[in-house]
Amino acid sequence: AQSVTQLDSHVSVSEGTPVLLRCNYSSSYSPSLFWYVQHPNKGLQLLLKYTSAATLVKGINGFEAEFKKSETSFHLTKPSAHMSDAAEYFCVVVNYGQNFVFGPGTRLSVLP
Amino acid sequence: DSGVTQTPKHLITATGQRVTLRCSPRSGDLSVYWYQQSLDQGLQFLIQYYNGEERAKGNILERFSAQQFPDLHSELNLSSLELGDSALYFCASSVAADRVWETQYFGPGTRLLVL
Repeated sequence: AQSVTQLDSHVSVSEGTPVLLRCNYSSSYSPSLFWYVQHPNKGLQLLLKYTSAATLVKGINGFEAEFKKSETSFHLTKPSAHMSDAAEYFCVVVNYGQNFVFGPGTRLSVLP
Repeated sequence: DSGVTQTPKHLITATGQRVTLRCSPRSGDLSVYWYQQSLDQGLQFLIQYYNGEERAKGNILERFSAQQFPDLHSELNLSSLELGDSALYFCASSVAADRVWETQYFGPGTRLLVL
């Protein structure tokens, strides 16, 4: 079975400081992993995805994530937070023949 | 804009009623997925259709059903509604059925409130 843990339900950072949103997964096989972002009253938008190519994945809006198989992690980072980054972030794991499994989400607040 | 459209945006109804949510996938996408997002359950996969056929089922209640039409739009039917069915319902689409690397593109959602 596959599952996703997002270690922080809420992260608060100051504008201009680094962002770290943590994600750990459980999977029997080599999964694909995604990060989606949901702004208030909006749908989900893909930030980036890992599909067994490069372990460091770059996404939109300056976000990137590193796949670490030994740690079963796929943490999302950004060097400098912007006010517009305030949103809910979801980590997703999927295996062949399975469907998307979403983590519980991390709400990111960005303080001025 | 993902290219996935959902109607209506908001729906308010009473317990025991039946509603239909509609989704149009991105042009060229053959797979449609339905998800439910609620405060207590998070984002849960309900059901997937691929080119008109049911492909996979998740945590979908027997009171809920879906179908995908020849023009590839999909409808999610919710019947005998209960207060606990109040949630945000998302539709997503992708080109194929089971490529693990494939992105799902999400619509803006339909917010359902059952009173």
